[in-house]
Amino acid sequence: DTGVSQNPRHKITKRGQNVTFRCDPISEHNRLYWYRQTLGQGPEFLTYFQNEAQLEKSRLLSDRFSAERPKGSFSTLEIQRTEQGDSAMYLCASSLTSGSYNEQFFGPGTRLTVL
Amino acid sequence: DQQVKQNSPSLSVQEGRISILNCDYTNSMFDYFLWYKKYPAEGPTFLISISSIKDKNEDGRFTVFLNKSAKHLSLHIVPSQPGDSAVYFCAAGDGSGTYKYIFGTGTRLKVLA
Repeated sequence: DTGVSQNPRHKITKRGQNVTFRCDPISEHNRLYWYRQTLGQGPEFLTYFQNEAQLEKSRLLSDRFSAERPKGSFSTLEIQRTEQGDSAMYLCASSLTSGSYNEQFFGPGTRLTVL
Repeated sequence: DQQVKQNSPSLSVQEGRISILNCDYTNSMFDYFLWYKKYPAEGPTFLISISSIKDKNEDGRFTVFLNKSAKHLSLHIVPSQPGDSAVYFCAAGDGSGTYKYIFGTGTRLKVLA
């Protein structure tokens, strides 16, 4: 399977705990995006990597959120001291780099439930 | 502030008929538009796109129309099939160097057999 993969698919945690999600993009894709989707909404942009460099972060990404892409391949998204409002589907997408818009390929998402 | 709006949360169409999904946007800097389809428990899947320099793009049963003056785009599916039943998201490229998308809230399409 050469698509975008995300792990875990589901995560249930208690308020105040830390969680980490992983995204493995399509191997030749340089761009990697994280989005968050809540019930009844479309995906909302969180952050963007070009290779290993994190080039943009949304205002939605509070100080409790951190994302990394250490070798320009897989990426992790960590949420510290989770709150109930963090409950959402976290989507990762990747695309080629060509100086223009390219189709973003999405993974299946990680559904986070904070109790 | 919702920059990309899909005002119809749901739509039901008979199999074989045309499905028309609508999308409005507010930001004139948007220069690229896409439609994604999403099935339950899966990530969104790219369907079709259109650059702001065009007003129409076709791909098989799917056609996207762009009216820049009205800041409106639509997706036409002809003929509609039961397998088209899904949530459809309109998205816009924000014209920045990150090429990120701004998504609408989605329209749930149900094609009735």
